[in-house]
This record gives sequence, C-alpha cells and structure tokens, in this order.
Amino acid sequence: DIQLTQSPSSLSASVGDRVTITCRASQSIEKYLNWYQQKPGRAPNVLIYAASTLQGGVPSRFSGSGSGTEFNLTISSLQSADFATYYCQQSYNMFPWTFGQGTKVEIK
Amino acid sequence: QITLKESGPTLLKPTQTLTLTCDFSGFSLSTRGEGMGWVRQPPGKALEWLALIFWDDDTRYSPSLRTRLTVTKDTAKNQVVLTMTNMGPVDTATYYCAHRRGHYDSSGFYFYSFFDLWGPGTLVAVSS
Repeated sequence: DIQLTQSPSSLSASVGDRVTITCRASQSIEKYLNWYQQKPGRAPNVLIYAASTLQGGVPSRFSGSGSGTEFNLTISSLQSADFATYYCQQSYNMFPWTFGQGTKVEIK
Repeated sequence: QITLKESGPTLLKPTQTLTLTCDFSGFSLSTRGEGMGWVRQPPGKALEWLALIFWDDDTRYSPSLRTRLTVTKDTAKNQVVLTMTNMGPVDTATYYCAHRRGHYDSSGFYFYSFFDLWGPGTLVAVSS
C-alpha cells in the first residue's frame, strides 16, 4: 500500500496567515493526489485534485503543488472559515486508495 | 444535482454484520465511468478508504478488510450497499458513501479520480 504522511499534524495560525501543509507519499504517485477539508461533524469536501487543480467553487486562496512523492496545500491568506482538518488522498493507478493522517488547523 | 445519503443501524453488537445503504440521485451507476466509494472515520481519527464499486461491477476493497467487506449496487433503486461482517468495537466509526468523479487532464492522457460529493455520514457504534 502507498502510505501518505502529512506534516505538521496540527498547526496554530492567525487570520491572514499563509499556511502550507505537506503530504509525502511512500512511492511516486505522479500527480494522483487530492486534498480535502473537513469541519467537525461534517463530511469531507474536495479542494484540490490532480495535485494542483482547484475544484469548482473552492476559493482561489487555496492552491496545490507537487508531483512524485511530495505535495503541498497552501492557503494564501487564512480565513476564519478555513479552520478545519485537511487530508490528502492518493488515487494512483492501483488500489487501495489511501488518506493521510490529517492536519488540524487551529486558531492561534 | 447529485445527492447521497447513508442509512443503516446505529448500534451493533460484536460479531454482528453491518449493512449500510447509500441512496443517491442525480446520476446513474449504470453509466459508463461512474463509481461510488465508501470511507469510514473512527471518532477523532483519520479517514479510511474502504471500497469502490464501478458502473461495470468492478469492485475494489481495502486489503486489510477484504475478507469482511462486500459492496453491491442496485441500479434500478439507485442504491449501493456495503456489508461488513464480524463487526467489533474497533469498527465504531462514521461511515460515508461518496461519488467518484473522474477527470482527464488537458492532454487527454491522464485520468484523475477523486471523491467530489459525499453523503452526510452515519455513525455506527459497536458495543456489547
């Protein structure tokens, strides 16, 4: 199985901060990497797919980069609505798909 | 507009079998390219991918749960059913069904998959 490791596991930030979350894969997954946001008590919501493509309706302050084994999710200017847990997920051309362990973004 | 909703028991005893139904609308699982997945999340923990079923009945499972899981579809009812045998306390989780979307990149060569829409989830507790 392909393992995904996110860092950090949690972070504290202020509104307006630039935030970057990293996801590392145990082997190359090319660009088959997706990012989800999950708020407490809610289902996840896709933000980015194919490593860097913004899903429709997602604010442009979110961006994704990377390929191979290292990927980043960046929030350019953190808003109050962005305090949540973020997960990466790989959908490489083999199963099983896997998720990272999550990164919780909290208010400083 | 695609909608999904999970339903099933909220409490099971150890060794019992879980059967969850995902009712969906807005697409047909008999359409080429369509797929539906199941994901679970124990309280306070990370998401775990369980299974995917495709329009052509191709089904993929998490290797760690392969012997306990079965996913089927009923295209006439617009339902996907997940069955998990021999439930234990560690299986206590919120179970989600999700619509798999596929997307070709601009070259038309690479095909990317992700879960674009999710049901609200259903919490299943396993306790004696």
